[in-house]
Amino acid sequence: DGGITQSPKYLFRKEGQNVTLSCEQNLNHDAMYWYRQDPGQGLRLIYYSQIVNDFQKGDIAEGYSVSREKKESFPLTVTSAQKNPTAFYLCASSIPGAVHEQYFGPGTRLTVT
Amino acid sequence: DAKTTQPNSMESNEEEPVHLPCNHSTISGTDYIHWYRQLPSQGPEYVIHGLTSNVNNRMASLAIAEDRKSSTLILHRATLRDAAVYYCILRDAGSGGSNYKLTFGKGTLLTVNP
Repeated sequence: DGGITQSPKYLFRKEGQNVTLSCEQNLNHDAMYWYRQDPGQGLRLIYYSQIVNDFQKGDIAEGYSVSREKKESFPLTVTSAQKNPTAFYLCASSIPGAVHEQYFGPGTRLTVT
Repeated sequence: DAKTTQPNSMESNEEEPVHLPCNHSTISGTDYIHWYRQLPSQGPEYVIHGLTSNVNNRMASLAIAEDRKSSTLILHRATLRDAAVYYCILRDAGSGGSNYKLTFGKGTLLTVNP
């Protein structure tokens, strides 16, 4: 089955630690995205990548870093510089073009204490 | 990014039609209207999109006003599985990197009563 996988579903970390969230897709999509969602809010774009070895900051990139070494993978690192890291993190992918439907993964709920 | 306005919440009965409104008075000529929905504790899923004409697919219909300043997502027969937050999003289909962005507002929380 084609799709996007994010692991783990729940993640707990101590404050001051960096943590990397996994996102893998086997849809052969060029573009990938990371969003953050806080309770009762919409999604906010953290980073996006249109092609391998290239990525751009979204609206709230501070305290986050990404890499795109392979087409299938777009890991997100939440660094200790992120002031409020506890959130629901969603990864998505799409085929660039006019329709540009984004396919989302199941999300990772990160709790930092 | 052009802004959309949706009601915070709506309620429907099972097997009845649901009309979810969205206002986008500042829409530009190259903005597509996209609808996504998000079930509890899941990632959003694409529902439908359109530019000027009304659109139908297996999930829903999209009715777009003639002046494109508003649109309505129509679920023809609501089921309990349609209970979700529905997002109306404008996406600029013009050239450049910014057309990859989807800006999600708070959406409309749809409750479906059995």
